[in-house]
Amino acid sequence: GEDVEQSLFLSVREGDSSVINCTYTDSSSTYLYWYKQEPGAGLQLLTYIFSNMDMKQDQRLTVLLNKKDKHLSLRIADTQTGDSAIYFCAENWDMRFGAGTRLTVKP
Amino acid sequence: DTGVSQDPRHKITKRGQNVTFRCDPISEHNRLYWYRQTLGQGPEFLTYFQNEAQLEKSRLLSDRFSAERPKGSFSTLEIQRTEQGDSAMYLCASSPTALDGEKLFFGSGTQLSVL
Repeated sequence: GEDVEQSLFLSVREGDSSVINCTYTDSSSTYLYWYKQEPGAGLQLLTYIFSNMDMKQDQRLTVLLNKKDKHLSLRIADTQTGDSAIYFCAENWDMRFGAGTRLTVKP
Repeated sequence: DTGVSQDPRHKITKRGQNVTFRCDPISEHNRLYWYRQTLGQGPEFLTYFQNEAQLEKSRLLSDRFSAERPKGSFSTLEIQRTEQGDSAMYLCASSPTALDGEKLFFGSGTQLSVL
């Protein structure tokens, strides 16, 4: 079957914006989610978006949703070294996850 | 609120042995999920409880796997006759009933190594 797809790596400099992209599979997904996983820790919900929205902003985080293309993105403004982690997008109530994007922030 | 707790953090076992993991969800959460995560991959859904009822099982959950949540509080995941391919991080998550989407709170996981 189809998988939720994400690019595996992203490297940015501290203070720049980061954009993490995701292509999901189910056009009927009601909610789409972004989770963050730091080394040795469980996943932490960062933000989510309802499918009838095309944008959601939450402090430094902006989520964009393109339902036609089944494309979801997460923008982190003013990226800090503490943002270095693996970011997962997920869809549906049973949370189908992508493989994760490892974000590295260089000072 | 102490978060979702999983025990043990690490388990090393020999092939063919049975193992059992425990998950204590956040107390007021009625939904509980089990996932498996292997290196370089996202979590894969295994099963889900609403209170004590197991409502969904993934095809990944072979007949060697069984999960229970007898009183709608803590849950156990048992793997019988472990195989090397079962080596993974087993994650538990819980969520409250919500009208605006499932918000999962994850534990730190149990890392299983099958030798």
